[in-house]
Amino acid sequence: DAGITQSPRHKVTETGTPVTLRCHQTENHRYMYWYRQDPGHGLRLIHYSYGVKDTDKGEVSDGYSVSRSKTEDFLLTLESATSSQTSVYFCAIRASSGQYEQYFGPGTRLTVT
Amino acid sequence: RKEVEQDPGPFNVPEGATVAFNCTYSNSASQSFFWYRQDCRKEPKLLMSVYSSGNEDGRFTAQLNRASQYISLLIRDSKLSDSATYLCVVNMRRGGADGLTFGKGTHLIIQP
Repeated sequence: DAGITQSPRHKVTETGTPVTLRCHQTENHRYMYWYRQDPGHGLRLIHYSYGVKDTDKGEVSDGYSVSRSKTEDFLLTLESATSSQTSVYFCAIRASSGQYEQYFGPGTRLTVT
Repeated sequence: RKEVEQDPGPFNVPEGATVAFNCTYSNSASQSFFWYRQDCRKEPKLLMSVYSSGNEDGRFTAQLNRASQYISLLIRDSKLSDSATYLCVVNMRRGGADGLTFGKGTHLIIQP
């Protein structure tokens, strides 16, 4: 257990509404990530953070923004949700040594209607 | 060429059999390699890292062939509980600070 929680776990929202997903970790990891998982695709990186207030874009960042004001929290915001953002969103932390493997939170299932 | 490719399966295997998965990756400079397991509607969980010399963890053996850019996973004496999707994962850069690259997964079904 890497001490990662995500909230909410499930959400249904309407097209055009803003949505914020939260990732919380308890072990002071520097690196945090947001991925999305869709049928027919592997997990794809949205954004990542390498420290407080330090973030960068991933492969599929369009339509998403992130913030990290505290080490333990990494927020993902959909400014104006679209149906194409219906997905399962996973947060992850990176181990600080060894092979730098990543550990994932339980996921948030988001449906945009 | 896709960055990490896997046979999607499904592999239907009788309990107790040995099953092998392969995966290929496109970036020859890739630094580290993993197999993750994902159960239905759950998060991916690290199964094992893959080392250049090959490594074993109980019934699971992973091999890396850098020259051919492929990774393999062998499961011996398969159990019903091994049914899951197995994800081949690669760190394209040293330390992988900018994220992992995932294959789409191979679905394994162990039949009693």
